[in-house]
Amino acid sequence: RKEVEQDPGPFNVPEGATVAFNCTYSNSASQSFFWYRQDCRKEPKLLMSVYSSGNEDGRFTAQLNRASQYISLLIRDSKLSDSATYLCVVTLDQAGTALIFGKGTTLSVSS
Amino acid sequence: DADVTQTPRNRITKTGKRIMLECSQTKGHDRMYWYRQDPGLGLRLIYYSFDVKDINKGEISDGYSVSRQAQAKFSLSLESAIPNQTALYFCATSSPTGELFFGEGSRLTVL
Repeated sequence: RKEVEQDPGPFNVPEGATVAFNCTYSNSASQSFFWYRQDCRKEPKLLMSVYSSGNEDGRFTAQLNRASQYISLLIRDSKLSDSATYLCVVTLDQAGTALIFGKGTTLSVSS
Repeated sequence: DADVTQTPRNRITKTGKRIMLECSQTKGHDRMYWYRQDPGLGLRLIYYSFDVKDINKGEISDGYSVSRQAQAKFSLSLESAIPNQTALYFCATSSPTGELFFGEGSRLTVL
């Protein structure tokens, strides 16, 4: 089993749709969790950290389920500008010595 | 100005040539990383450094070497480039909270 797995997609949704991505991780000792966004041919940028209690930032909601070892990202009211690849990132220790990236999930929002 | 600057942004070279990719950051962070990204494989860690005297191999260090010249500078070398090192290379630095800041990437083509 790969350390961090994501459904590669693509997810093709119309504007205004709600879409959810999941990411599973294999190491139960994983400490920190993040979602990054990467536009085509650009560098990844932090979208949001994922906290144990779940967190929300505008139209974006991130959840962590330690028991089932997955994190999720929910995007409400999708915009054309949300089209990108979303990368799940997991760190294996507090020191951040091992940052493991998922391969990414591609989202395409159409009008 | 970008917080993390990579040079060159694009490079085409021939098999067997020595190539150096340079990275500098203005974030003042101690931790720096080199990743490569290939279609379908996601981001993979080549080397990382937690301070000037600390260099560590990542998951795919063979064929690469690095130098941490100063807190702000971390360069990646390919001593003898081969075609399967054709990829998009990213330098990154991380904050104490684990957030990664990436450079804009260096696209390397080895013929």
